[in-house]
Amino acid sequence: AQSVTQPDIHITVSEGASLELRCNYSYGATPYLFWYVQSPGQGLQLLLKYFSGDTLVQGIKGFEAEFKRSQSSFNLRKPSVHWSDAAEYFCAVVRDNNAGNMLTFGGGTRLMVKP
Amino acid sequence: GAVVSQHPSRVICKSGTSVKIECRSLDFQATTMFWYRQFPKQSLMLMATSNEGSKATYEQGVEKDKFLINHASLTLSTLTVTSAHPEDSSFYICSASSLNSGLPRETQYFGPGTRLLVL
Repeated sequence: AQSVTQPDIHITVSEGASLELRCNYSYGATPYLFWYVQSPGQGLQLLLKYFSGDTLVQGIKGFEAEFKRSQSSFNLRKPSVHWSDAAEYFCAVVRDNNAGNMLTFGGGTRLMVKP
Repeated sequence: GAVVSQHPSRVICKSGTSVKIECRSLDFQATTMFWYRQFPKQSLMLMATSNEGSKATYEQGVEKDKFLINHASLTLSTLTVTSAHPEDSSFYICSASSLNSGLPRETQYFGPGTRLLVL
């Protein structure tokens, strides 16, 4: 079964610093991968997704992620963090490409931004 | 585009009562809708998947008689928590995807969530 691991539960970075949030997946075939962001008390907003093609994908709000098959990773990056980026970030993978598009979520990483 | 709304945003009810949560796709036809539950500081757990006009498919461990899901149209799904108890207090989030609105079929669009508190 597919699984998603986000090794870091909490991360704190200073405003203006670079950011990398880790995501590792377990999946046999080429996965469909997503990053979502959730502000407190809110739903999830799609940041970016990878289905195929270029392994470096650009998303909204200046985020990007790189799919690395050899490392089973899909890490999220941003070169300069803004205070408004403080939120919970979830990595997700489509559970089974042939059985609809149900998602399996990682445990989430809470990002805190220091002024 | 691809906006999903939920109503109400928060609800407080007495133990033993039933609560209905609505999930609407505002600008596309949602052929599939998903209901998730999220406890504080935890990830989203899928409760059930519903296709328009069909019975919902529940995840293992989710009581279908307790969490009634109706997906009567391509823009509306409802989750009814029947005979709610304090342990049902949680954040409920719906999402929607589409096969016929020109949207990527693998992508889910999430509603803003409904916070349920059962006293």
